[in-house]
Amino acid sequence: AQSVTQLGSHVSVSEGALVLLRCNYSSSVPPYLFWYVQYPNQGLQLLLKYTSAATLVKGINGFEAEFKKSETSFHLTKPSAHMSDAAEYFCAVSPGLLGNTPLVFGKGTRLSVIA
Amino acid sequence: NAGVTQTPKFQVLKTGQSMTLQCAQDMNHNSMYWYRQDPGMGLRLIYYSASEGTTDKGEVPNGYNVSRLNKREFSLRLESAAPSQTSVYFCASSEETYYSNQPQHFGDGTRLSIL
Repeated sequence: AQSVTQLGSHVSVSEGALVLLRCNYSSSVPPYLFWYVQYPNQGLQLLLKYTSAATLVKGINGFEAEFKKSETSFHLTKPSAHMSDAAEYFCAVSPGLLGNTPLVFGKGTRLSVIA
Repeated sequence: NAGVTQTPKFQVLKTGQSMTLQCAQDMNHNSMYWYRQDPGMGLRLIYYSASEGTTDKGEVPNGYNVSRLNKREFSLRLESAAPSQTSVYFCASSEETYYSNQPQHFGDGTRLSIL
């Protein structure tokens, strides 16, 4: 069965520091992978998606993620955190060709940015 | 750009009351979903509709019913509300359900409290 594991339910960084949010997946190859962001009292918004065109994917607000097949990972990074990045982040995987379920979401990582 | 619209945004019910949460999308998407979000649990799929005329159970369907009224609208009904159903409910839509590189688009949520 497909699954997504987000390491760390809460990550705290200083303003200006590197942001690294970890996501490991289990899926048939090739997977489609997504990162979403949820700001307080809002729905989820798409940050970026991997669709096999390139292993390094750039998203909105300066975020990017790298697909590493050998590590079954799709970690989200941003070189310099801003206060406005404080939110909850969800990784999701679309099951492979034989999948018969919708998108599978991780449990989320809450990012806090300290001034 | 309306996207996915959920009504109501907030609701308080008493135990045993019934309620229907409404969702409509204007993106001509085939697939629609209902999730609930609880602290520490991430997003959990309640029901989904891969296409007009079909509905399927997700991870936590007990206590809920759904209706895909037409291609645009997908409603979620609580027949006899219980305190355990206090949650934030999100509706989402996407072009396709299975093995898709198209992301889900989310509404802003309905915050439901059951006393």
